[in-house]
Amino acid sequence: DAKTTQPPSMDCAEGRAANLPCNHSTISGNEYVYWYRQIHSQGPQYIIHGLKNNETNEMASLIITEDRKSSTLILPHATLRDTAVYYCIVGSSNTGKLIFGQGTTLQVKP
Amino acid sequence: DAGVTQSPTHLIKTRGQQVTLRCSPKSGHDTVSWYQQALGQGPQFIFQYYEEEERQRGNFPDRFSGHQFPNYSSELNVNALLLGDSALYLCASSFLDPKGGHNEQFFGPGTRLTVL
Repeated sequence: DAKTTQPPSMDCAEGRAANLPCNHSTISGNEYVYWYRQIHSQGPQYIIHGLKNNETNEMASLIITEDRKSSTLILPHATLRDTAVYYCIVGSSNTGKLIFGQGTTLQVKP
Repeated sequence: DAGVTQSPTHLIKTRGQQVTLRCSPKSGHDTVSWYQQALGQGPQFIFQYYEEEERQRGNFPDRFSGHQFPNYSSELNVNALLLGDSALYLCASSFLDPKGGHNEQFFGPGTRLTVL
């Protein structure tokens, strides 16, 4: 499975968009990009996934570069409840082994 | 729907003891995965059970074993506990698509194990 690189921490003002980057330069053709988040003292929560097209759901948007070597998770209007550790994961399936890295700690500030 | 439930919430053991953690998957799910999360680290995959068999295994010693029951619930057993086994143990459930689809994994709140 491809490895991902994320910044260890980011801040965002409440109500503004939070843009969380992820590098996955060794991603292979059949691998997807998955995003999970973990709010303190809870289990991780699935957010979104994509292959090569941009994706949007009720929680977030996922922008994947054309060469698929990096992606950005966008929380359009961050709230204090979005403060969490965000994990970018690359794999061929969401139902098998998930390889978590260190993630990005997002702090949303009032 | 209660989602994924785990018991107990917290547990304290001493070195050398054995521990059993329990997980009930979300309704409709047939696959259970276990993860270990040390403080300040991301979760590490231990193993996954499907149809009462271990389907995948991460890089964990044989001291870590598991079981899945006909009702899809699962247990994680750890023998000969070490101080380094202190961690949050997370259970995740999903519905396995034979075509390798993207049914998300739902995680439980975890069991906090402390080994003294």
